[in-house]
Amino acid sequence: DADVTQTPRNRITKTGKRIMLECSQTKGHDRMYWYRQDPGLGLRLIYYSFDVKDINKGEISDGYSVSRQAQAKFSLSLESAIPNQTALYFCATSPTGGDEQFFGPGTRLTVL
Amino acid sequence: RKEVEQDPGPFNVPEGATVAFNCTYSNSASQSFFWYRQDCRKEPKLLMSVYSSGNEDGRFTAQLNRASQYISLLIRDSKLSDSATYLCVVNLSGGYNKLIFGAGTRLAVHP
Repeated sequence: DADVTQTPRNRITKTGKRIMLECSQTKGHDRMYWYRQDPGLGLRLIYYSFDVKDINKGEISDGYSVSRQAQAKFSLSLESAIPNQTALYFCATSPTGGDEQFFGPGTRLTVL
Repeated sequence: RKEVEQDPGPFNVPEGATVAFNCTYSNSASQSFFWYRQDCRKEPKLLMSVYSSGNEDGRFTAQLNRASQYISLLIRDSKLSDSATYLCVVNLSGGYNKLIFGAGTRLAVHP
């Protein structure tokens, strides 16, 4: 079984809809991250959480919100989706003090 | 200026070739450095960390030049399975593990 899972894997939605992307991990890591990837751009950090009570904005947090429901779960919400939020979204985890991040398989989101 | 810059490629090389990728970073306070590999439509995975002394893992060699703020990856004896996008990644602050990703360099190895 995958250590970091994301649901859904693909989603097509319409402008103005509320969307939630979910991430779960079995690695026991405290730190979790949400990124988006667009063609020609590097992965960009949306939000990150270093433990259940810690939530921080990343580089591009506008239009997004997150919830850290438990150590193993970190959800990303788009309150009112817009077309320029069409992208590939990755969740990642890392252990405290560790450098390597472990990524989920990604969610491909299309906003029409 | 992007914080981490890479030549997007693609680099099209025959099997057995040696290919080198370069990356520059803008923040001199950067603490640690990595190369990640990303296959098409898949998640990035750590290929190797990059140390000041340089490091080698089989056919892969990574070098760091802090003075020039430059990172390189050398792949020798390219295999078809090396075809992927290679992401240069910089950690700005060691304690916080916030990674800055380059846009990636695409490698296509052909028979």
